[in-house]
Amino acid sequence: SQELEQSPQSLIVQEGKNLTINCTSSKTLYGLYWYKQKYGEGLIFLMMLQKGGEEKSHEKITAKLDEKKQQSSLHITASQPSHAGIYLCGADGSGNTGKLIFGQGTTLQVKP
Amino acid sequence: DADVTQTPRNRITKTGKRIMLECSQTKGHDRMYWYRQDPGLGLQLIYYSFDVKDINKGEISDGYSVSRQAQAKFSLSLESAIPNQTALYFCATSGSGSNQPQHFGDGTRLSIL
Repeated sequence: SQELEQSPQSLIVQEGKNLTINCTSSKTLYGLYWYKQKYGEGLIFLMMLQKGGEEKSHEKITAKLDEKKQQSSLHITASQPSHAGIYLCGADGSGNTGKLIFGQGTTLQVKP
Repeated sequence: DADVTQTPRNRITKTGKRIMLECSQTKGHDRMYWYRQDPGLGLQLIYYSFDVKDINKGEISDGYSVSRQAQAKFSLSLESAIPNQTALYFCATSGSGSNQPQHFGDGTRLSIL
């Protein structure tokens, strides 16, 4: 079965700094989803990547999909306290099954 | 109003009790899902339903059952709760096409003593 590994597991950055979170799959990626979760709350959909080389941005957050490496990266530019939370990547393991598997999450703290 | 609503938001109960968690959605989606989240483990799929007459087991269905009462309603039951079912439970919905993102409720925090 497919597994998603996120790195790092946790991250503390100073406000204004850039940071990158990685999500690596054990199998071919058919679609990669990024979500953000604030503590004890639901997941907020950020963006979806479908094709190798695809890059999408949402405000100061950019995500890329490297199909050959079976990896996606999430990059935050000029981090703000509002970026704090848990970032999770999810993937459809077999392509259009509708079932997502998730990485274990990366906890981000941003110090003012 | 939230598009995906879960009730209750918090529940504390005792071992052996039957518990039902409810989920309703106004997004008009056919597909609905139940996940549980444990610290450091991400989300694990319990059950999913692609339409009213379709119910499928996920990764960790043992000890759980579901009912899809209508397109908009999907409930999760713990027939006889045990302490290791203490977790944060999420309901999600998605459209039926390929590569449709899932949209999540705010979660139910369940504690079993």
